Amino acid sequence: KQEVTQIPAALSVPEGENLVLNCSFTDSAIYNLQWFRQDPGKGLTSLLLIQSSQREQTSGRLNASLDKSSGRSTLYIAASQPGDSATYLCAVRPKAAGNKLTFGGGTRVLVKP
Amino acid sequence: DAGVIQSPRHEVTEMGQEVTLRCKPISGHDYLFWYRQTMMRGLELLIYFNNNVPIDDSGMPEDRFSAKMPNASFSTLKIQPSEPRDSAVYFCASSRLAGGRLSLSDTQYFGPGTRLTVL
Repeated sequence: KQEVTQIPAALSVPEGENLVLNCSFTDSAIYNLQWFRQDPGKGLTSLLLIQSSQREQTSGRLNASLDKSSGRSTLYIAASQPGDSATYLCAVRPKAAGNKLTFGGGTRVLVKP
Repeated sequence: DAGVIQSPRHEVTEMGQEVTLRCKPISGHDYLFWYRQTMMRGLELLIYFNNNVPIDDSGMPEDRFSAKMPNASFSTLKIQPSEPRDSAVYFCASSRLAGGRLSLSDTQYFGPGTRLTVL
C-alpha cells in the first residue's frame, strides 16, 4: 500500500528565506506527483504536477523535483513571502490505484515578516 | 468557469439526522471525487466517479455513507444517520483526462469544502 510522508509537519521561516519542503513515498510505481497548497478554511490548489518521467517542474518562484527511484520529492520556494504561509500537501498517483491520489499529511508553513 | 461549487459551506446537525452535501464539478470534467479531511486522518478519498459512474468506493467508511451522480453537473454525498465522528471537512474535486490517456496531466480542482459538525 502506498504511503506518503511529509516531514516536518510545521515550519517557520523569516521572510526572504528559501523554503524546502520534503515528501517521501513508499512505492515508486506512480504516474505523477502533485504539490498542492491549502489556505485555512479553503480547498486545495494545485501548484505543480510532475510526471513520472520528469525530474522537475518550475513555476515562478516554485520548483519541484522528483526522484522516483528513491521515492522523494522536494518543493523549493525561493525568497519566501508572508503570502506563502499555508499548508503544502504532496500527493502521488499510484499506477495500481486507477485515478486515485494518495496524500501526505502536509507541512504547515509560516513565513514571518 | 466558476470552479467546483459545493453547498452548503457549513452544516451543523444533530446526531441521527440525515446530511446531504452537494457538488457541481467544472463543466467538461469527466471525473468527480469526494474527499474527507480531518486532523487525525488527513485527506482521504471516499469515492470517485467517471462519466457519472462510481468507479471506486472503497474509501466510503460504512453503509451510512452513499454518493450519487445523476448527471455530469451534479453529485451528492449523503450520510444517514450522521454521527459525531463524521464531523470533518468534505471536499469535492473534479478533473479531466488529457488526450484520453490516464497517464497524462490530470490535475484535480478542488471545491471550497463543506465543514460538517455533528453534535
